[in-house]
Amino acid sequence: AQSVAQPEDQVNVAEGNPLTVKCTYSVSGNPYLFWYVQYPNRGLQFLLKYITGDNLVKGSYGFEAEFNKSQTSFHLKKPSALVSDSALYFCAVRAFGIQTGANNLFFGTGTRLTVIP
Amino acid sequence: NAGVTQTPKFRVLKTGQSMTLLCAQDMNHEYMYWYRQDPGMGLRLIHYSVGEGTTAKGEVPDGYNVSRLKKQNFLLGLESAAPSQTSVYFCASSTGTDRTDTQYFGPGTRLTVL
Repeated sequence: AQSVAQPEDQVNVAEGNPLTVKCTYSVSGNPYLFWYVQYPNRGLQFLLKYITGDNLVKGSYGFEAEFNKSQTSFHLKKPSALVSDSALYFCAVRAFGIQTGANNLFFGTGTRLTVIP
Repeated sequence: NAGVTQTPKFRVLKTGQSMTLLCAQDMNHEYMYWYRQDPGMGLRLIHYSVGEGTTAKGEVPDGYNVSRLKKQNFLLGLESAAPSQTSVYFCASSTGTDRTDTQYFGPGTRLTVL
């Protein structure tokens, strides 16, 4: 069965330092992976996705993610964190749902990133 | 271009009351989705629609009904609200269910059932 794990509920990082938000997945077949960000009292905003090709995917707001097939991971990264990056981050995988009979998005439980000034 | 909008933003219901949440999109997307977001559980798919006049069950459909009478609108109904339905509800839309499609989300509706 498909699943996404975000092992850290909370990540704290100092402003200007690099940040990493971790995600691992389990899916049959090729993985199609997504990262979304949710700012307080807002909906989810799409950051980036991995479909195929280059393992390093670049997205919005300076974020990038590295796909690692052998480790079944898709970690979100940014070289230099901003206070404004503080938000809730969700990893998701597109997979066939047996219950729904269609390709659906399956979300991780989210990681709250706090960037400390 | 407003993207995906949701009405209302907040609502408090008593157990047993009914209500309808409205989702509208102006991107001419074929597919629309309703999710619920609960603490520590991420987002879970309630129902979805692959086009005007169609609906299908997601992971957690019980207690909800949906309708897609117009391509741009997707309604989520609670016929008899229960405290377990207290949640934040998100609507999303996409061009299709190809695995590469990106879903775009609305701002959410925070529902409390007392």
